[in-house]
Amino acid sequence: GESVGLHLPTLSVQEGDNSIINCAYSNSASDYFIWYKQESGKGPQFIIDIRSNMDKRQGQRVTVLLNKTVKHLSLQIAATQPGDSAVYFCAESPSGNTPLVFGKGTRLSVIA
Amino acid sequence: DGGITQSPKYLFRKEGQNVTLSCEQNLNHDAMYWYRQDPGQGLRLIYYSQIVNDFQKGDIAEGYSVSREKKESFPLTVTSAQKNPTAFYLCASSQQGGNTIYFGEGSWLTVV
Repeated sequence: GESVGLHLPTLSVQEGDNSIINCAYSNSASDYFIWYKQESGKGPQFIIDIRSNMDKRQGQRVTVLLNKTVKHLSLQIAATQPGDSAVYFCAESPSGNTPLVFGKGTRLSVIA
Repeated sequence: DGGITQSPKYLFRKEGQNVTLSCEQNLNHDAMYWYRQDPGQGLRLIYYSQIVNDFQKGDIAEGYSVSREKKESFPLTVTSAQKNPTAFYLCASSQQGGNTIYFGEGSWLTVV
């Protein structure tokens, strides 16, 4: 689940279960969305992206779903592994050359 | 290897000193960015540059300065005017007009 506050929301899942990380974006004009994974002490890594003309996109073990009606983005990770433990950020692109706007992040903790 | 190199990885600054963080990329990207990340927090944009000799302020530019004299380099100076500079600093780059940005491994700055 998620909580509001100064600390990152945390999602704890059992190894092998599926994980769903949610993100609400702010700008209805955003036309491109990205998920990043950040391991402790490292820079964020690109996971998967989706354009606004799509509702779903699949990668290897990951799926991104986009619901433009409610401005909601989700990242699904299948068969979650300990190596998936990290902080996950969503980002939206409001327009052409405007820098990405990042969400606050969710910490995924995988329980072995 | 192609990528974004940040240095130093760890830096300590005394009160009242200016320090400069280096960022070099060999991806031939036009745009470069600097983000600040506080522990357990999201990414906040400090400055970005979409072309050589041009840059724009982000959300938290006060107390920071940048230059973009070369396409591959975008150094960030944390000045003594920055009241709370202790943080993790991330440099990133992207293609001109591209949405996906790629990050370096970050630099930790601590004020002592």
